[in-house]
Amino acid sequence: GQQLNQSPQSMFIQEGEDVSMNCTSSSIFNTWLWYKQDPGEGPVLLIALYKAGELTSNGRLTAQFGITRKDSFLNISASIPSDVGIYFCAGQEGGSEKLVFGKGTKLTVNP
Amino acid sequence: NAGVMQNPRHLVRRRGQEARLRCSPMKGHSHVYWYRQLPEEGLKFMVYLQKENIIDESGMPKERFSAEFPKEGPSILRIQQVVRGDSAAYFCASSYATYEQYFGPGTRLTVT
Repeated sequence: GQQLNQSPQSMFIQEGEDVSMNCTSSSIFNTWLWYKQDPGEGPVLLIALYKAGELTSNGRLTAQFGITRKDSFLNISASIPSDVGIYFCAGQEGGSEKLVFGKGTKLTVNP
Repeated sequence: NAGVMQNPRHLVRRRGQEARLRCSPMKGHSHVYWYRQLPEEGLKFMVYLQKENIIDESGMPKERFSAEFPKEGPSILRIQQVVRGDSAAYFCASSYATYEQYFGPGTRLTVT
């Protein structure tokens, strides 16, 4: 089956720093989604990407859909303490509705 | 609350009992998905349903697990004769047509 490699596995940064994380796939995806999950909660959708090369922003978050359709990255600028959590990428193949998830990037922000 | 609702939030069952997990999709959403998450892992797809139809159950174990989304009422994920390995967080997501999936808060199942 499909596999998503998400990196880094964890990050420890200072408040105000920028953050970058990425996902690569062995398969081509038609859609890339980025979610954030807080402890004990469900994933919250941050950004959805639908076209190869697409660059989309949501406040301090920016995500891109790779040209090869096999990768995506998420950047967070000027991190704040509430950015703490686990960030997941998820991809969707053409013709399938199911999401394939990466294993997550755990972000810790030191004030 | 217009979000996806799941209940119960926490469920404890003894080995051999049945677990029933409920999911009410967002208003206007007719597509429901169930995912399972083990500690320190990403979510794994189990099943995709529309009203009264199972569309894709490729991620669901063949035995003991079943899902339904009746014409009226919530979607139900049912696990019969639970075993310790079923302990996990189960998340439901919903979407309008085939657009973005929005997740509920999950049900944490513990099998003792």
